[in-house]
Amino acid sequence: QVQLVESGGDLVQPGGSLRLSCAASGFTFSDYYMSWIRQAPGKGPEWVSFISNSGDAAYYADSVKGRFTISRDNAKNSLYLQMNSLRVEDTAVYYCAREVTTTDYWGQGTLVTVSS
Amino acid sequence: IVMTQSPDSLAVSLGERATINCKSSQSLLYSSDNKNYLAWYQQKPGQPPKLLIYWASTRESGVPDRFSGSGSGTDFTLTISSLQAEDVAVYYCQQFYSTRTFGQGTKVEIK
Repeated sequence: QVQLVESGGDLVQPGGSLRLSCAASGFTFSDYYMSWIRQAPGKGPEWVSFISNSGDAAYYADSVKGRFTISRDNAKNSLYLQMNSLRVEDTAVYYCAREVTTTDYWGQGTLVTVSS
Repeated sequence: IVMTQSPDSLAVSLGERATINCKSSQSLLYSSDNKNYLAWYQQKPGQPPKLLIYWASTRESGVPDRFSGSGSGTDFTLTISSLQAEDVAVYYCQQFYSTRTFGQGTKVEIK
Protein backbone atom coordinates (compact mmCIF):
# COMPACT_ATOMS: atom_id res chain seq x y z
CA GLN A 1 0.00 0.00 0.00
CA VAL A 2 1.03 3.62 -0.45
CA GLN A 3 3.28 4.88 2.34
CA LEU A 4 4.76 8.34 2.76
CA VAL A 5 7.01 8.94 5.76
CA GLU A 6 8.26 12.46 6.51
CA SER A 7 11.26 13.33 8.66
CA GLY A 8 13.44 16.30 9.51
CA GLY A 9 11.03 18.49 11.47
CA ASP A 10 12.55 20.37 14.40
CA LEU A 11 12.60 23.54 16.48
CA VAL A 12 14.55 26.25 14.65
CA GLN A 13 15.15 29.95 15.24
CA PRO A 14 13.77 32.61 12.91
CA GLY A 15 16.11 33.05 9.95
CA GLY A 16 17.30 29.47 10.22
CA SER A 17 17.18 26.58 7.75
CA LEU A 18 15.81 23.06 7.75
CA ARG A 19 15.60 20.21 5.24
CA LEU A 20 12.60 17.89 5.24
CA SER A 21 12.62 14.45 3.66
CA CYS A 22 9.87 12.08 2.59
CA ALA A 23 10.40 8.38 1.90
CA ALA A 24 7.82 6.89 -0.49
CA SER A 25 6.88 3.25 -0.98
CA GLY A 26 4.06 1.10 -2.31
CA PHE A 27 3.81 2.82 -5.70
CA THR A 28 6.01 3.77 -8.66
CA PHE A 29 7.35 7.05 -7.29
CA SER A 30 8.75 8.29 -10.61
CA ASP A 31 5.27 8.22 -12.19
CA TYR A 32 3.76 10.86 -9.90
CA TYR A 33 3.88 14.56 -9.18
CA MET A 34 4.47 15.11 -5.46
CA SER A 35 3.54 17.94 -3.09
CA TRP A 36 4.40 19.50 0.23
CA ILE A 37 1.39 20.80 2.11
CA ARG A 38 1.49 22.37 5.57
CA GLN A 39 -1.05 22.88 8.31
CA ALA A 40 -0.59 25.40 11.11
CA PRO A 41 -2.14 24.51 14.48
CA GLY A 42 -5.92 24.84 14.33
CA LYS A 43 -5.89 25.97 10.69
CA GLY A 44 -6.76 24.48 7.32
CA PRO A 45 -4.11 22.97 5.07
CA GLU A 46 -1.99 25.27 2.90
CA TRP A 47 -0.37 24.00 -0.28
CA VAL A 48 3.36 24.84 -0.32
CA SER A 49 4.88 23.34 -3.44
CA PHE A 50 4.74 20.58 -6.00
CA ILE A 51 7.23 19.00 -8.36
CA SER A 52 6.77 17.13 -11.63
CA ASN A 53 7.40 13.40 -11.81
CA SER A 54 10.76 13.91 -13.55
CA GLY A 55 11.75 16.79 -11.29
CA ASP A 56 12.18 19.29 -14.12
CA ALA A 57 9.29 21.56 -13.08
CA ALA A 58 8.43 22.97 -9.66
CA TYR A 59 5.74 25.32 -8.42
CA TYR A 60 5.54 27.30 -5.18
CA ALA A 61 3.03 29.22 -3.10
CA ASP A 62 3.77 32.95 -3.01
CA SER A 63 4.29 32.70 0.76
CA VAL A 64 7.41 30.52 0.31
CA LYS A 65 8.71 31.49 -3.14
CA GLY A 66 12.40 32.32 -3.05
CA ARG A 67 12.87 30.72 0.40
CA PHE A 68 11.87 27.06 -0.10
CA THR A 69 13.13 24.60 -2.72
CA ILE A 70 11.48 21.29 -3.56
CA SER A 71 13.47 18.44 -5.08
CA ARG A 72 13.29 14.68 -5.55
CA ASP A 73 15.53 11.66 -6.09
CA ASN A 74 13.60 9.04 -8.05
CA ALA A 75 16.39 6.48 -7.59
CA LYS A 76 15.87 6.74 -3.82
CA ASN A 77 12.07 7.18 -3.93
CA SER A 78 12.53 10.36 -1.92
CA LEU A 79 11.12 13.89 -1.86
CA TYR A 80 12.78 16.86 -0.18
CA LEU A 81 11.98 20.40 0.94
CA GLN A 82 14.84 22.78 1.68
CA MET A 83 13.54 25.63 3.83
CA ASN A 84 15.65 28.77 4.28
CA SER A 85 15.03 32.12 5.97
CA LEU A 86 12.39 30.53 8.17
CA ARG A 87 9.77 32.74 9.80
CA VAL A 88 7.54 32.27 12.83
CA GLU A 89 4.57 31.95 10.47
CA ASP A 90 6.16 28.88 8.83
CA THR A 91 5.38 26.91 12.01
CA ALA A 92 3.21 23.96 10.97
CA VAL A 93 2.96 20.26 10.39
CA TYR A 94 4.44 19.59 6.95
CA TYR A 95 2.89 16.78 4.92
CA CYS A 96 4.33 15.00 1.92
CA ALA A 97 1.55 14.06 -0.51
CA ARG A 98 1.03 12.26 -3.79
CA GLU A 99 -0.68 14.00 -6.68
CA VAL A 100 -2.82 12.19 -9.22
CA THR A 101 -6.08 13.87 -10.24
CA THR A 102 -5.62 15.85 -7.05
CA THR A 103 -3.90 15.18 -3.74
CA ASP A 104 -4.79 11.59 -2.93
CA TYR A 105 -2.39 10.17 -0.32
CA TRP A 106 -0.78 12.12 2.56
CA GLY A 107 1.94 11.14 4.99
CA GLN A 108 1.53 11.54 8.76
CA GLY A 109 3.50 14.78 8.75
CA THR A 110 6.52 16.27 10.52
CA LEU A 111 6.36 19.26 12.86
CA VAL A 112 8.38 22.37 12.13
CA THR A 113 8.45 24.99 14.89
CA VAL A 114 10.06 28.36 14.24
CA SER A 115 10.61 30.23 17.49
CA SER A 116 13.29 32.11 19.37
CA ILE B 1 -8.52 31.26 -5.80
CA VAL B 2 -10.13 31.73 -2.35
CA MET B 3 -12.29 28.95 -0.92
CA THR B 4 -14.91 29.79 1.71
CA GLN B 5 -16.84 27.15 3.62
CA SER B 6 -20.04 27.45 5.63
CA PRO B 7 -20.86 26.88 8.38
CA ASP B 8 -17.66 26.79 10.45
CA SER B 9 -19.23 24.09 12.60
CA LEU B 10 -22.43 22.10 12.85
CA ALA B 11 -23.97 19.61 15.23
CA VAL B 12 -26.19 16.89 13.78
CA SER B 13 -28.05 14.01 15.42
CA LEU B 14 -26.98 10.46 14.59
CA GLY B 15 -28.77 9.28 11.45
CA GLU B 16 -29.61 12.80 10.31
CA ARG B 17 -28.31 14.68 7.29
CA ALA B 18 -25.28 16.99 7.43
CA THR B 19 -24.72 19.58 4.70
CA ILE B 20 -21.54 21.60 4.17
CA ASN B 21 -21.19 24.38 1.63
CA CYS B 22 -18.12 25.61 -0.23
CA LYS B 23 -17.84 28.68 -2.44
CA SER B 24 -14.91 29.54 -4.69
CA SER B 25 -13.87 33.03 -5.75
CA GLN B 26 -13.84 31.96 -9.40
CA SER B 27 -15.37 29.18 -11.44
CA LEU B 28 -13.78 25.75 -11.05
CA LEU B 29 -15.48 24.42 -14.20
CA TYR B 30 -12.86 23.77 -16.87
CA SER B 31 -14.49 24.27 -20.26
CA SER B 32 -12.29 21.83 -22.20
CA ASP B 33 -13.42 18.78 -20.20
CA ASN B 34 -16.58 20.09 -18.49
CA LYS B 35 -15.27 19.00 -15.09
CA ASN B 36 -15.33 20.87 -11.80
CA TYR B 37 -11.88 20.86 -10.18
CA LEU B 38 -13.15 20.56 -6.62
CA ALA B 39 -12.37 17.92 -3.96
CA TRP B 40 -13.53 17.19 -0.41
CA TYR B 41 -11.41 15.84 2.45
CA GLN B 42 -12.12 14.48 5.92
CA GLN B 43 -9.63 15.02 8.76
CA LYS B 44 -9.85 13.34 12.14
CA PRO B 45 -7.72 14.50 15.12
CA GLY B 46 -4.06 13.56 14.81
CA GLN B 47 -4.48 12.28 11.26
CA PRO B 48 -3.77 13.71 7.81
CA PRO B 49 -6.69 14.64 5.56
CA LYS B 50 -8.35 11.80 3.68
CA LEU B 51 -9.68 12.27 0.15
CA LEU B 52 -13.43 11.64 -0.05
CA ILE B 53 -14.60 13.15 -3.34
CA TYR B 54 -13.01 14.67 -6.45
CA TRP B 55 -14.38 16.21 -9.67
CA ALA B 56 -17.00 17.65 -7.25
CA SER B 57 -19.06 14.44 -7.16
CA THR B 58 -16.86 11.35 -7.77
CA ARG B 59 -16.38 9.27 -4.62
CA GLU B 60 -12.89 7.96 -3.95
CA SER B 61 -12.65 4.17 -3.81
CA GLY B 62 -13.77 2.80 -0.44
CA VAL B 63 -15.68 5.91 0.65
CA PRO B 64 -19.17 5.06 1.97
CA ASP B 65 -22.05 6.08 -0.28
CA ARG B 66 -23.60 8.20 2.47
CA PHE B 67 -21.05 10.82 1.37
CA SER B 68 -22.02 12.72 -1.77
CA GLY B 69 -20.88 15.87 -3.51
CA SER B 70 -22.74 18.23 -5.78
CA GLY B 71 -22.53 21.66 -7.36
CA SER B 72 -20.83 23.37 -10.27
CA GLY B 73 -18.99 26.55 -11.13
CA THR B 74 -18.47 28.37 -7.83
CA ASP B 75 -20.92 26.69 -5.43
CA PHE B 76 -20.51 23.19 -4.05
CA THR B 77 -22.01 20.99 -1.34
CA LEU B 78 -20.88 17.94 0.62
CA THR B 79 -23.75 15.92 2.06
CA ILE B 80 -23.56 13.15 4.63
CA SER B 81 -26.95 11.51 4.24
CA SER B 82 -27.10 9.69 7.59
CA LEU B 83 -24.48 10.82 10.09
CA GLN B 84 -22.54 8.06 11.85
CA ALA B 85 -20.38 8.43 14.97
CA GLU B 86 -17.23 7.80 12.92
CA ASP B 87 -18.03 10.82 10.69
CA VAL B 88 -17.13 13.29 13.46
CA ALA B 89 -14.27 15.22 11.87
CA VAL B 90 -13.29 18.45 10.15
CA TYR B 91 -14.17 18.60 6.46
CA TYR B 92 -12.28 20.68 3.89
CA CYS B 93 -13.00 21.59 0.31
CA GLN B 94 -10.05 22.05 -2.06
CA GLN B 95 -9.77 23.52 -5.53
CA PHE B 96 -7.29 21.94 -7.93
CA TYR B 97 -8.12 24.18 -10.91
CA SER B 98 -4.98 26.24 -10.28
CA THR B 99 -2.36 24.76 -7.95
CA ARG B 100 -4.25 23.98 -4.73
CA THR B 101 -6.28 26.01 -2.20
CA PHE B 102 -8.26 24.71 0.75
CA GLY B 103 -11.25 26.07 2.60
CA GLN B 104 -10.99 26.95 6.28
CA GLY B 105 -12.80 23.78 7.36
CA THR B 106 -16.15 22.77 8.84
CA LYS B 107 -16.23 20.87 12.11
CA VAL B 108 -18.98 18.22 12.30
CA GLU B 109 -20.10 17.03 15.74
CA ILE B 110 -22.86 14.89 17.18
CA LYS B 111 -25.85 16.73 18.67
